[in-house]
Amino acid sequence: DQQVKQNSPSLSVQEGRISILNCDYTNSMFDYFLWYKKYPAEGPTFLISISSIKDKNEDGRFTVFLNKSAKHLSLHIVPSQPGDSAVYFCAARDQAGTALIFGKGTTLSVSS
Amino acid sequence: NAGVMQNPRHLVRRRGQEARLRCSPMKGHSHVYWYRQLPEEGLKFMVYLQKENIIDESGMPKERFSAEFPKEGPSILRIQQVVRGDSAAYFCASSPGTSVSTGELFFGEGSRLTVL
Repeated sequence: DQQVKQNSPSLSVQEGRISILNCDYTNSMFDYFLWYKKYPAEGPTFLISISSIKDKNEDGRFTVFLNKSAKHLSLHIVPSQPGDSAVYFCAARDQAGTALIFGKGTTLSVSS
Repeated sequence: NAGVMQNPRHLVRRRGQEARLRCSPMKGHSHVYWYRQLPEEGLKFMVYLQKENIIDESGMPKERFSAEFPKEGPSILRIQQVVRGDSAAYFCASSPGTSVSTGELFFGEGSRLTVL
């Protein structure tokens, strides 16, 4: 049973436009949500996070939005750059805090 | 290099052999997590350890898999009698502790196991 779902396996965007990556979750006990970025043959690297008590967090070109009532979060990248091409994983932590639960990832391709 | 160090980066084993994957956490980190990524899949949690203690092994297969994080030395993920289905990328992550407010984990570059 997947508690964190990324329903779009891939997304293609043109350079300069906005990329929107989506994530849904089922567990209302999650207290933190994180986005990780992963290049081939490398480990995931942390991108941005949001607490469950907030609805928006922004860091440069990256903004994460959280809609608790819909159990949905999204990552906005604007403007998108070719170097953003990677796999993006949504992750969540439950309040027990023992581990992060990851979605299956969305592969973003930004074309120039 | 202050990052999470994993070795070997690539490991090839024949069915029935043993695989040992090592992970040295970031300096100052006392919590280690192991994740597995099967082809076309996301990261699946396996086990969470602190020094000399297994805190959560709910994601570990019941047989053939074990993990340790001794007082001295790296954390080790051990897979006995490997089968082809064990072929995957195994990622280690560390954190300074559960007091980290964001829950952020720092990942190594992974160990890619291929079982022939």
